[in-house]
Amino acid sequence: AQKITQTQPGMFVQEKEAVTLDCTYDTSDPSYGLFWYKQPSSGEMIFLIYQGSYDQQNATEGRYSLNFQKARKSANLVISASQLGDSAMYFCAMRDRGAQKLVFGQGTRLTINP
Amino acid sequence: DAGVIQSPRHEVTEMGQEVTLRCKPISGHDYLFWYRQTMMRGLELLIYFNNNVPIDDSGMPEDRFSAKMPNASFSTLKIQPSEPRDSAVYFCASSLAGSGGAENEQFFGPGTRLTVL
Repeated sequence: AQKITQTQPGMFVQEKEAVTLDCTYDTSDPSYGLFWYKQPSSGEMIFLIYQGSYDQQNATEGRYSLNFQKARKSANLVISASQLGDSAMYFCAMRDRGAQKLVFGQGTRLTINP
Repeated sequence: DAGVIQSPRHEVTEMGQEVTLRCKPISGHDYLFWYRQTMMRGLELLIYFNNNVPIDDSGMPEDRFSAKMPNASFSTLKIQPSEPRDSAVYFCASSLAGSGGAENEQFFGPGTRLTVL
């Protein structure tokens, strides 16, 4: 069965610093996709970035990048030059390719200090 | 596009009452998902539909929960009778069909915060 583990319940980072949010996963399917979502205090879920298991390069979207280490089954989110608006809950999720169900981790609450 | 629309945004009801949550997916999306979010259990998939047909309802907690999708632009999640442990945020999400890559990202609605007293 699929499983997503986020081991950091909370993180505190100074503004403008880079931050890495950890995510490890487990699946028996060789083909899968990994997603990161942001949930600010207002509650909505915002898609940030996607990494496919066969993608040769790490995904990047603006200040977001994904440190994908397939052998270690990890897909850490890196936020560069953090901003106060980055304070939110961050969820890692995965989906076996060809499937539609997303399995979410427990989330990491990121707080950016001025 | 207006995005996924959910109503109501907040619902407070008493134990035993029927609760109906509503969702309008993004036009053209083939899949619709219902999630529940609680502090204890995180985000859980309750049920999802493909082209209005329920595909997987294994996450529905018990018979008190039911979901329907009478047409491509509307879905309901009903709880009858409601219990205090049903208090949670309920999200609806929709996505396009495809191979499961980034093009199939799920777009979430704003959620309905349900409180059962």
